[in-house]
This record gives sequence, C-alpha cells and structure tokens, in this order.
Amino acid sequence: DQQVKQNSPSLSVQEGRISILNCDYTNSMFDYFLWYKKYPAEGPTFLISISSIKDKNEDGRFTVFLNKSAKHLSLHIVPSQPGDSAVYFCAASSGSARQLTFGSGTQLTVLP
Amino acid sequence: NAGVMQNPRHLVRRRGQEARLRCSPMKGHSHVYWYRQLPEEGLKFMVYLQKENIIDESGMPKERFSAEFPKEGPSILRIQQVVRGDSAAYFCASSREAISNQPQHFGDGTRLSIL
Repeated sequence: DQQVKQNSPSLSVQEGRISILNCDYTNSMFDYFLWYKKYPAEGPTFLISISSIKDKNEDGRFTVFLNKSAKHLSLHIVPSQPGDSAVYFCAASSGSARQLTFGSGTQLTVLP
Repeated sequence: NAGVMQNPRHLVRRRGQEARLRCSPMKGHSHVYWYRQLPEEGLKFMVYLQKENIIDESGMPKERFSAEFPKEGPSILRIQQVVRGDSAAYFCASSREAISNQPQHFGDGTRLSIL
C-alpha cells in the first residue's frame, strides 16, 4: 500500500515557466512533508519542507503548498531552469517515527 | 567535505557472499537512517540507529540483514548470503536530531550488484 503517491512519472517544462510537481498521501498521521531532488548516481538532496500546521512554505524559487483536507501537496518551481532537471521525490513522516516514506518520484525535464 | 559519506560507491558480490556497506554521518549528527531503492521505485526505509542503539528496524528484512552504529566508527549495513533480489542502491542519511525540523541529509549511496 503506497502511502505517498506521485502519479506523474515525468514532466517537461520550458525554461522560465513554472514547474508544478504533485504528491498525494493517504496516512492522516503524517505531520511533516519534504521534497528532495535527485540527480543520477547521487543521493537525494533536501530542497524544502513543510509542517502540517502550515499551508505554504517558500524558499527562493521553490514553494511548497499543503492541502490537508485533500491530502495533497505540490512543489512549485518558478522560474524553471535547465539545472532543475532531475527526479523529485516527495516524502513524509509522522510523530515520533522519523522514518521517511517516499513517493516513487517525478522526472522533471526543463527544456532550454 | 562535511556531507554524509558512503563507501564503497559500487559493490559487486556473488550469490551467497556477504556485503558490508559503510556510512559516516555528517559531523555533529548522531542519527543514522538506511534506505533501499529498487529500480524505478522510491526509497524504502530500512532501519534507524543512534550511537550504539537500533531505534527502529521495522523496514529491515528479519533474515540476513543487520545494522550497527558503534560508538566509534561508521554505521555498517551487513547483508549475509546475498541473493539477486538484494541488487539495489542503498542510501544512508543522517540528522542532528530526530525531530521534524531537522531534515535528513543523504549520502550518494552504494550500488550493490549481485552476480
């Protein structure tokens, strides 16, 4: 049973436009959500996170939105740059269990 | 480099051999997590350790797999009598504290191939 789902395996966006990556979850006990970026042959790199008590968190070009009632979060990247091309993973954790539950990832390609 | 260090980066073993994967956490981090990634999938949690203690091993197979994080030295993930299905990328992460606002930082992984 996948508790964190990223339903789009891939996304292509033109340079300078907005990239929107989506993530859905089923476990209502999740209270902290993170986005990681991963290049081939490297480990995931932490991008941005959000607590369940918030609905938005912004850091430079990256903004994460959380809709708790819909159990949905999204990552917005604007403007998108070719260097943003990577696999993006959504992850979640709950309470004292600090293990992260990951989605299956979305390959973002930013076209020059 | 103050990041999470994993070695080896690539490891090839024959069926039945043992695999040892090492992870040195970031400086100042005492919490270590191991994850496994199969092809085309996300990372799956295996085990969470603090110095000398296993805190949560709920994601680790009961047989053939073990993990430790001694007082001195790196954390070790050990796989005995490897099988083809153990082929995967194994990632280690560390954090300063095990609380929400302390994100886990990952190493570049060990790619294990079983012949």
